[in-house]
Amino acid sequence: ETGVTQSPTHLIKTRGQQVTLRCSSQSGHNTVSWYQQALGQGPQFIFQYYREEENGRGNFPPRFSGLQFPNYSSELNVNALELDDSALYLCASTRGQRGAVQETQYFGPGTRLLVL
Amino acid sequence: AQSVTQLGSHVSVSEGALVLLRCNYSSSVPPYLFWYVQYPNQGLQLLLKYTSAATLVKGINGFEAEFKKSETSFHLTKPSAHMRDAAEYFCAVDTGGFKTIFGAGTRLFVKA
Repeated sequence: ETGVTQSPTHLIKTRGQQVTLRCSSQSGHNTVSWYQQALGQGPQFIFQYYREEENGRGNFPPRFSGLQFPNYSSELNVNALELDDSALYLCASTRGQRGAVQETQYFGPGTRLLVL
Repeated sequence: AQSVTQLGSHVSVSEGALVLLRCNYSSSVPPYLFWYVQYPNQGLQLLLKYTSAATLVKGINGFEAEFKKSETSFHLTKPSAHMRDAAEYFCAVDTGGFKTIFGAGTRLFVKA
């Protein structure tokens, strides 16, 4: 158990819809990162939040957005869903500032999104 | 730019045999390197990490990895495989920024 939870565990949407995925981090973990893991691939970095502000972003379009809340929860929002958005979405939290590398990332179990 | 290459998408070993999972990295600055394990329907769990201290890093579950700068490698080994080691393993690199780059993964099969 990593102390990081995600909801829902599974989700089915249709192309063009919007989706919100949720993550609850460990208390005291100020940094949360979101990753997309397509089937048969490694996780790809979407973005990171530190103290409720976006701290960095990977190669994902603006329709991927996020929020981080003071209670150590966060959201990943995806607008205008496309078929290629089907993947496992992972969140990971760290205690360190700005995801300092010496701090361990704790991953949640993920939300599996299927876009039809 | 940083990148990670894991050689072999699938590795099969017999129970009790040596496990060797290969990882090569590319980085323009001294990297931090990680191995993660992912069991079915679960998130990633950190096995071990290299952060420029000792080049031989010991992790959980009997795994270890050796950082070899000259070969730009960070291979993961375990002397004796157990059935419970069957999982997907990911090598990852981080250069001290905010982004971790993962390899494509190697699925380990353990035969009885």
